[in-house]
Amino acid sequence: QKEVEQDPGPLSVPEGAIVSLNCTYSNSAFQYFMWYRQYSRKGPELLMYTYSSGNKEDGRFTAQVDKSSKYISLFIRDSQPSDSATYLCAMGTMLTGTASKLTFGTGTRLQVTL
Amino acid sequence: DTAVSQTPKYLVTQMGNDKSIKCEQNLGHDTMYWYKQDSKKFLKIMFSYNNKELIINETVPNRFSPKSPDKAHLNLHINSLELGDSAVYFCASSHLRGADTDTQYFGPGTRLTVL
Repeated sequence: QKEVEQDPGPLSVPEGAIVSLNCTYSNSAFQYFMWYRQYSRKGPELLMYTYSSGNKEDGRFTAQVDKSSKYISLFIRDSQPSDSATYLCAMGTMLTGTASKLTFGTGTRLQVTL
Repeated sequence: DTAVSQTPKYLVTQMGNDKSIKCEQNLGHDTMYWYKQDSKKFLKIMFSYNNKELIINETVPNRFSPKSPDKAHLNLHINSLELGDSAVYFCASSHLRGADTDTQYFGPGTRLTVL
């Protein structure tokens, strides 16, 4: 079983829809949680990070973490064609005072259509 | 004012050759990483260096050797390239946010094709 499970999609939604992206994980040692967005042929770009259960909002994006269920979500409101990308969840563990290890999901490819 | 940069962007080479990829960050971060992203987009850590010291060395063939001349640079040298080495290699650097959160920033990637 993979440490982090993420549905690869593709997920196709119309412009303006609310998008829900999810990941589950099995390792209780993960301390913090991130969402990255990756456009085609580009590097991953950090969208959101959080280290506690609950919700965190930033503009049209909301990250949700439920540590008891080992489940994280990213919600995108009023989705735009420019949101079309692959979304990667990442789970982090601090190894030393200044270095961490991220374990990524396989990514969900999102397509927002006009 | 690129934050994390990599060279080259594309690299096409023959099996058996030796090649290097360079990474530089101007964010003042102490820790740098190399990741490999395969054809299915799965991103996996290879190495991590903190202030020129190796922190993470995942199960990577010893044909791969990272080198950190200073904390702003982390290069990756690959000997005797194999077909299975074809992938996109990403460099990242990280900034500690508090005691239990570390934020990693990625470069644009180097697409390696081994023929």
